[in-house]
Order: sequence, then C-alpha cells, then structure tokens
Amino acid sequence: DGGITQSPKYLFRKEGQNVTLSCEQNLNHDAMYWYRQDPGQGLRLIYYSQIVNDFQKGDIAEGYSVSREKKESFPLTVTSAQKNPTAFYLCASSHDLASGATYEQYFGPGTRLTVT
Amino acid sequence: AQSVAQPEDQVNVAEGNPLTVKCTYSVSGNPYLFWYVQYPNRGLQFLLKYITGDNLVKGSYGFEAEFNKSQTSFHLKKPSALVSDSALYFCAVRDTGNTGGFKTIFGAGTRLFVKA
Repeated sequence: DGGITQSPKYLFRKEGQNVTLSCEQNLNHDAMYWYRQDPGQGLRLIYYSQIVNDFQKGDIAEGYSVSREKKESFPLTVTSAQKNPTAFYLCASSHDLASGATYEQYFGPGTRLTVT
Repeated sequence: AQSVAQPEDQVNVAEGNPLTVKCTYSVSGNPYLFWYVQYPNRGLQFLLKYITGDNLVKGSYGFEAEFNKSQTSFHLKKPSALVSDSALYFCAVRDTGNTGGFKTIFGAGTRLFVKA
C-alpha cells in the first residue's frame, strides 16, 4: 500500500523539550516537504528537500531542523527555540525531478503537536 | 513574488446545485496550479492540476477547474454538489519563473458547506 506515513498522530510535550516528528514515504518520490497548518492561515512551508542530503529553508524555518539521509525519510525536529510550536504538522512528497515529473504533492495524515 | 488568493472564507451551496470555489494567483513566469481538499483532521488530497495544455482540467470526484490566464484565475467547479463535498479546499500555485523554482504556495483555504 503506497503512501506517506506520519507518526505519531498526536504528540504532547512540555515547553523546553525538543521533539521529532516522523515522515516516511514509499512512493519513490524525490522531493519532500514539511508544512505547518494553523487555523485560518492555510499551509506554511517549513523545510523542503529535493534530493537526499540536501534541503532548503521554507518561509518559517526558525526553530525547526530536518535531515534527509534516506530518500524515504524526512524527519522534522521542533526545537525549544520555536516560540509557538503547537500546530498541525503535515509532511508531503512529490515526483518533481527527471522525466515523468507530475508535481502534485501527496500528503501524510498529519501530526497534531501540543506543547504546554 | 508568487501568491495565491482565495477570496471567500466560506461557500454555502445546496445539494444538487453547481458550486464554484474561487482562486486567483500572481506569478512571474508560467504557473503550475493545483487544487487540494482537506477533510477534518486529515492531510490534503490532490484533486486536479493545470500544468499546460487545455485550459479546462478535470479531476477527482467530478470536480473541474478552468485556467484563465488573462484573469489569472483558476476557479474550482462542480456541476452538482453533494453533501459529502463539504470540506476545506486549497488552491496552490508554483511559479516556474521563480529562481527558487520549487516552492508551492497555498491559499488560506475556502470552507465549502453543502446543505441537504
């Protein structure tokens, strides 16, 4: 069954703790993305990666970090430096490079992070 | 800079009536345009896209959208709405003229309510 998985679905943390959100895809997509969704604000791009071992900051990267050591995996760490981390986090992937690129993004089910 | 606007926070329509969800965009080059749908507490699902070719594109669940270059619009339409179409709809644009080349910008979303 192909797709993107995110875990956990709900995550609770105390303020000051770092937390890592998991994102795995078996679609063989080259590009992967992390978005943050807050009510009434649509999706905002945190980080994206076109290929393994390479990633770029999005619009709201401060307080977040990522790694892309494998094509299938793009974990996001929410650090204690992120001032307002409580949000719904969405991971996505797309087939963007090489011939046959389709460009649309496929999304995981999301992780709702609550920091108190 | 690329941008996308969804001028209506909410659209209400009766079941069986046609629906339109509006989207306008601004890009420096040629746009890649997308519509996604989100059900509560879920990730986004891809509905349809315009990359090139015919201005009228058809997608999943009977939805279609028309690319209008002169009006820089990409409105989502369906001839006959279903109660099950009630959800949050996002328009997205990728600017192929952008030197960043890779970023997709999402609108703030339009909530569609279909009344039985």
